Amino acid sequence: EIVLTQSPGTLSLSPGERATLSCRASQSVTSNYLAWFQQKPGQAPRLLVYGASSRATGIPDRFSGSGSGTDFTLTISRLEPEDFAVYYCQQYASSRTFGQGTKLEIK
Amino acid sequence: QLQESGPGLMKPSETLSLTCTVSGDSITGYYWSWIRQSAGKGLEWIGRIYATGITNYNPSLRNRVIMSVDTSKGQFSLKLSSSTAADTAVYFCARDRWGVFDYWGQGTLVTVSS
Repeated sequence: EIVLTQSPGTLSLSPGERATLSCRASQSVTSNYLAWFQQKPGQAPRLLVYGASSRATGIPDRFSGSGSGTDFTLTISRLEPEDFAVYYCQQYASSRTFGQGTKLEIK
Repeated sequence: QLQESGPGLMKPSETLSLTCTVSGDSITGYYWSWIRQSAGKGLEWIGRIYATGITNYNPSLRNRVIMSVDTSKGQFSLKLSSSTAADTAVYFCARDRWGVFDYWGQGTLVTVSS
C-alpha cells in the first residue's frame, strides 16, 4: 500500500498570501496518478487537481499542482477567503489511498 | 448527481447496507466507488464497481464487502458485514473515472452502536 504523508498538518496564512502544501508518497506514484481535493465542513471533498498537475473543470487557476515520483505539491498562488479548508492528496496508481490532510486556516 | 441512502444507525455485528442513486448521468461506462471518512482513519477507499458488475475491493476490507449494481434503476450498492464501532463513518459514493473521483455524493453518516 502506498502511504501518503502530508505536511504541514496545519498551515496558518492570511488572504492574499501564497500557500504551499506537500504530499510525500512511501513509494513512487506511477504515471503521476495523484489528485488533490479540498473539503469544507459538512461537505464532500471537491476535486481540484488530477494527474499531479491538471486542474479539474471549473477550478480557478490560482490552484496549481506539481511534482513527480514521491514528492508532490499543491500551490495556491493568492489565497481567497473561500480557500480556507482541509486539503487531501490521493493516489490512484496502486489501489487508492489518501493522505491525512492539511488544514489551511486563517491567520 | 449522486445521493446516498440507508440506515443511519445500526448495531454491532449487523450488515451495513447503503445505496447510491445516480441522476443526470448514465451509470454505464464508468466505475463507481464507495469511500468512507472517520475521525480515526481519515478517508478510506472501500471499493469500486463497474456497470457490468466487475468489482475491485480494498484488500483491508475485501472479506466483508459486497458491491452490486442495478443499471435499470441507476443505482449501486454497498454491503459491509460484521460491523463494529470502527465502521462508524460518513460514507460517500463517487464516480471513479480511471481512479479520479470527480463527482461525489453529499455523504451519509452511519453509526454502529449497541
